[in-house]
Amino acid sequence: ELKVEQNPLFLSMQEGKNYTIYCNYSTTSDRLYWYRQDPGKSLESLFVLLSNGAVKQEGRLMASLDTKARLSTLHITAAVHDLSATYFCAVDMKDGNQFYFGTGTSLTVIP
Amino acid sequence: NAGVTQTPKFRILKIGQSMTLQCAQDMNHNYMYWYRQDPGMGLKLIYYSVGAGITDKGEVPNGYNVSRSTTEDFPLRLELAAPSQTSVYFCACRGPGNTIYFGEGSWLTVV
Repeated sequence: ELKVEQNPLFLSMQEGKNYTIYCNYSTTSDRLYWYRQDPGKSLESLFVLLSNGAVKQEGRLMASLDTKARLSTLHITAAVHDLSATYFCAVDMKDGNQFYFGTGTSLTVIP
Repeated sequence: NAGVTQTPKFRILKIGQSMTLQCAQDMNHNYMYWYRQDPGMGLKLIYYSVGAGITDKGEVPNGYNVSRSTTEDFPLRLELAAPSQTSVYFCACRGPGNTIYFGEGSWLTVV
């Protein structure tokens, strides 16, 4: 079974600061996804990373994928309050049939 | 959450009752998924389907059943509801660009 671990689980950061969320997974996969979830809401797709070395950026968020290390990072630059949410990474099994989520990182940005 | 529609949004069940959560997608894609999310936790895969007539168990299938008679619909049935099934249920579908799209969720309470 694929295991997907995120750290930290909880993150409180001040506005304007930078930070990185890490996502490690336990088996071979070359497709990784990042989602955002606001309280009481569904999941919103942020990034789809489909190959080793993939890097994508949207606003203050940048995601990268290292398939050899089985590691993805979500970097937050100059955090603002609107980024407060829970962030999940998710990984495809190699056959693409199953899709496993990490434990989530609850981010709070303090003014 | 364009393309994936779940009903009902909220439901209260008594222990031992049964119900079906409905999920429909209009992206004409084969891969569909059911997840549950317990409070403060990540998503766990219940069942998935790779096409009409084909379903398979995920991480936590006990107490649930699914069917997939058409590409569009993927209902999840709860038999003999138990308090442990109190959760938020998300249906998802793989869509364009390999993105997984989620429905808005169904909040279920078993009392």
